[in-house]
Amino acid sequence: ELKVEQNPLFLSMQEGKNYTIYCNYSTTSDRLYWYRQDPGKSLESLFVLLSNGAVKQEGRLMASLDTKARLSTLHITAAVHDLSATYFCAVEKSRGGGADGLTFGKGTHLIIQP
Amino acid sequence: GAVVSQHPSRVICKSGTSVKIECRSLDFQATTMFWYRQFPKQSLMLMATSNEGSKATYEQGVEKDKFLINHASLTLSTLTVTSAHPEDSSFYICSARGGPGRVFGQGTRLTVV
Repeated sequence: ELKVEQNPLFLSMQEGKNYTIYCNYSTTSDRLYWYRQDPGKSLESLFVLLSNGAVKQEGRLMASLDTKARLSTLHITAAVHDLSATYFCAVEKSRGGGADGLTFGKGTHLIIQP
Repeated sequence: GAVVSQHPSRVICKSGTSVKIECRSLDFQATTMFWYRQFPKQSLMLMATSNEGSKATYEQGVEKDKFLINHASLTLSTLTVTSAHPEDSSFYICSARGGPGRVFGQGTRLTVV
């Protein structure tokens, strides 16, 4: 059974600070996703990581993937209030061929204080 | 980019009635559609995978007779919650593969009273 562990689950930080969210998964996977969710809303896609060593950046967010360690990180640089949200990582099971449903981490509830 | 349109966004129904949720892929064909459920302050849990023209595959613990899924065309999948009860109140989200990533619908907030 594929398990996805995300930590921390709750993070309160000040604007301007840097921090990292970690996502560990238990079995081999082809793809890892990061999403943002605002209260009452659906998911907004942030990053899709497809291979070992992949690094993607968008604004103050940067995601990386280490498939050997089964670890992905989401790094926040110089946080601003607008980044307050819940962040989920999700992993696609590697069954080979065809699309599979995603297994999500529990989410990191991020609050950025002015 | 690829868009999945989900309706309704909110629905309130009486206990014992049925509710249908629609997901349409716009400008692309979704051979496979995924249905997730999210309870308040929790993560998303995969309920079922629907494939166009064939029976849906349900995750363990999800009642297939209660959550009816139909994927009759390459652009439309529906989830019907039958004989809804208050414990079915949740946020239901559909998703399809659009390019290298996954596209999510806007979600449906179901409240059963």
